[in-house]
Amino acid sequence: DAGVIQSPRHEVTEMGQEVTLRCKPISGHNSLFWYRQTMMRGLELLIYFNNNVPIDDSGMPEDRFSAKMPNASFSTLKIQPSEPRDSAVYFCASRAGGTYTGELFFGEGSRLTVL
Amino acid sequence: GENVEQHPSTLSVQEGDSAVIKCTYSDSASNYFPWYKQELGKGPQLIIDIRSNVGEKKDQRIAVTLNKTAKHFSLHITETQPEDSAVYFCAASIAPGGGADGLTFGKGTHLIIQP
Repeated sequence: DAGVIQSPRHEVTEMGQEVTLRCKPISGHNSLFWYRQTMMRGLELLIYFNNNVPIDDSGMPEDRFSAKMPNASFSTLKIQPSEPRDSAVYFCASRAGGTYTGELFFGEGSRLTVL
Repeated sequence: GENVEQHPSTLSVQEGDSAVIKCTYSDSASNYFPWYKQELGKGPQLIIDIRSNVGEKKDQRIAVTLNKTAKHFSLHITETQPEDSAVYFCAASIAPGGGADGLTFGKGTHLIIQP
């Protein structure tokens, strides 16, 4: 398997622009997580989905952030409008379901810079 | 919610020496404690985990210990090698698979192996 695939790897945009980050989880995994990583705050959970349904979005910083998972193989994280403080690395991770499996498989991240 | 503190933020050791990274957590209900390793430009990757019914777990040169009474757990790396240089994250969660809240991560430790 190719692992979790994220795009774009790097995004530079100007304040006020819309940003869409994409994620393809590992086939067969039924949980998907979006994390944000910054030097100051470390790895923060933004939202997670189970079987394509958003379960916990309490980490989404504000209404400018939205996430969707229209099917089991695709998710998006959208920021509209973007602000400089949104600059960070955004990670998508997936996890298999079942009786137990704790491992999160992370993508390589999308580095966002908002000017 | 859960709060995970990790120390030190940076650790420099000589190649061949041991490295120890420590974490404390706040929620006594937490029962799953994984450690992730993040190499430059990559997403975090699980290296070892421990559950609350176990006090210690080893896998070759790495080991994790857990003290539930004191609510702290540690990562031990022996005979360090250059490829051990990375950022290490501890995490805690209530359910083995991360549960409804996902994983709460520490801020990370940048481990530097000096040749």
